[in-house]
Amino acid sequence: NAGVTQTPKFRILKIGQSMTLQCTQDMNHNYMYWYRQDPGMGLKLIYYSVGAGITDKGEVPNGYNVSRSTTEDFPLRLELAAPSQTSVYFCASGGTGATEGAEAFFGQGTRLTVV
Amino acid sequence: AQSVTQLGSHVSVSEGALVLLRCNYSSSVPPYLFWYVQYPNQGLQLLLKYTTGATLVKGINGFEAEFKKSETSFHLTKPSAHMSDAAEYFCAVTFYGNNRLAFGKGNQVVVIP
Repeated sequence: NAGVTQTPKFRILKIGQSMTLQCTQDMNHNYMYWYRQDPGMGLKLIYYSVGAGITDKGEVPNGYNVSRSTTEDFPLRLELAAPSQTSVYFCASGGTGATEGAEAFFGQGTRLTVV
Repeated sequence: AQSVTQLGSHVSVSEGALVLLRCNYSSSVPPYLFWYVQYPNQGLQLLLKYTTGATLVKGINGFEAEFKKSETSFHLTKPSAHMSDAAEYFCAVTFYGNNRLAFGKGNQVVVIP
């Protein structure tokens, strides 16, 4: 079982560059999430999706965009990278059908540095 | 807004001693509650969760947590710490009607031999 797969694992960007963080899951989950993790701050929700074609903002959406064209994929786009976007990014998925209280399964993370 | 509070970012515990990590949530409606663990350079994995039913929940690696509605708490315990318990622990919550998962700031647990 692959679970949740994120690519790349590491990336260095220059200020102003753009990139897409890829996330795919093979568990047929409805819900998918993008979080960023900064030291001592826990995980903050960037965007989430309750199914294909439906996305919504989380706590810290500025500077990011997402799309959900299929159940499996939930890419995160960074436009005009800034040093404040240096972080570790986690994708997660969870829940099938109308499940509530479902656990989330996490990818291994992408460590992004903006210089 | 739904939220959880974890006090004390760093927790040191002696090997063999009790591990106690505190989590409180803010809501008048009982939520769904989770504890996750993160080992260095890895993603998060579920330790245990409370949805409905029995308020004492047992998880993996000897951890357990008790949901106390009157105290809006879901504290995590393990009777005897092992060196392999050194990791970061996160409390998380979702509420009825959505699966938007919100996390606390985490506790970094250090186990002292």
